[in-house]
Amino acid sequence: SQQGEEDPQALSIQEGENATMNCSYKTSINNLQWYRQNSGRGLVHLILIRSNEREKHSGRLRVTLDTSKKSSSLLITASRAADTASYFCATVSNSGNTPLVFGKGTRLSVIA
Amino acid sequence: NAGVTQTPKFRVLKTGQSMTLLCAQDMNHEYMYWYRQDPGMGLRLIHYSVGEGTTAKGEVPDGYNVSRLKKQNFLLGLESAAPSQTSVYFCASRQYNTGELFFGEGSRLTVL
Repeated sequence: SQQGEEDPQALSIQEGENATMNCSYKTSINNLQWYRQNSGRGLVHLILIRSNEREKHSGRLRVTLDTSKKSSSLLITASRAADTASYFCATVSNSGNTPLVFGKGTRLSVIA
Repeated sequence: NAGVTQTPKFRVLKTGQSMTLLCAQDMNHEYMYWYRQDPGMGLRLIHYSVGEGTTAKGEVPDGYNVSRLKKQNFLLGLESAAPSQTSVYFCASRQYNTGELFFGEGSRLTVL
């Protein structure tokens, strides 16, 4: 079963606008990670936020984590056409050597 | 530094045929994973390994076998391919059990 679930499934915005994607999960986590996948390519790691962190920034990316609500959001500011991709959240649980569990992703389209 | 390399990139099989997908990583990572990605399903974990000589089942292991004889290689085998195994397969690796994943570019398998 999927641990992380992204929302919305698809998002279409104009270049220059901000894009926000949300992720909900079910169990206690060690950290939550966001990945990006361009069409036909492998996933690329974007950012990792630990369970004791509430917010993290990396360039135009801003990630928040609310462990009480078991949710995270990824904000991409001033979006560009090159940001068009699918974005996935993945969680690492607190229990032992368990692998990352991915959601189904949000497909972002940035229109120039 | 090649990172994670998957071979082959494309393959067409007939039902009942067997094949092996090879994943090689040059980052000296302990942990390796095989995922499959189907439209609308996100990534689902098939098998994984936490070190040389170890393997474990993931979410969808049926119909697949794996081996990790060398630390840098993780092989995924299909003994008798079925059309339901038509998918894109991704290999990934990471150093620590809570760290980021590094993905290969994927292997697209079609079973007729």
